[in-house]
Amino acid sequence: GIQVEQSPPDLILQEGANSTLRCNFSDSVNNLQWFHQNPWGQLINLFYIPSGTKQNGRLSATTVATERYSLLYISSSQTTDSGVYFCAVERSSNYQLIWGAGTKLIIKP
Amino acid sequence: GAVVSQHPSWVICKSGTSVKIECRSLDFQATTMFWYRQFPKQSLMLMATSNEGSKATYEQGVEKDKFLINHASLTLSTLTVTSAHPEDSSFYICSARDPGPHYNEQFFGPGTRLTVL
Repeated sequence: GIQVEQSPPDLILQEGANSTLRCNFSDSVNNLQWFHQNPWGQLINLFYIPSGTKQNGRLSATTVATERYSLLYISSSQTTDSGVYFCAVERSSNYQLIWGAGTKLIIKP
Repeated sequence: GAVVSQHPSWVICKSGTSVKIECRSLDFQATTMFWYRQFPKQSLMLMATSNEGSKATYEQGVEKDKFLINHASLTLSTLTVTSAHPEDSSFYICSARDPGPHYNEQFFGPGTRLTVL
């Protein structure tokens, strides 16, 4: 089956710093989503990005489907950005998401 | 974006009792919903796929008689943990796939934290 690898596993930054999170996947996929899980467990949709580049405020994402990776950029980090960021890809036939292990981001004030 | 609610947000029960968790899509119709389980500091583990009007499809290793799933309408799926035991304590999360404006995107409920004493 498809393997999804995220890096780095942990990231500690000062407020105001920029960061890049990476998601590699082992096979072609129909869809890819980035999520932020806040400290209360809620998963927040960040991007639905099977290919191309999207931006939403301080966050942007790029997926290069032909090279099987996606990047999530966070600029001017704030303490509220802390949490776990997950990448998940969708299988072609049954809409199930395959999840990476996540990147735990801690933003220090 | 689309909104998914989940109820209750937390529950504490005694060993041997059954617990029902509801998952609702509030502003869209979801023909497909998913149930996940998440252990501390781990990623999400898919338990089952729930399709409206048909039986759920369970992942390997998930006991279908223990985790009963019902998807009776396009906006509601329920997960019942039957005869719960302490090892069933976990964070349960549902998601719903929006086939409409957010084509193919999955949206998640806030989760239910189950503690079995």
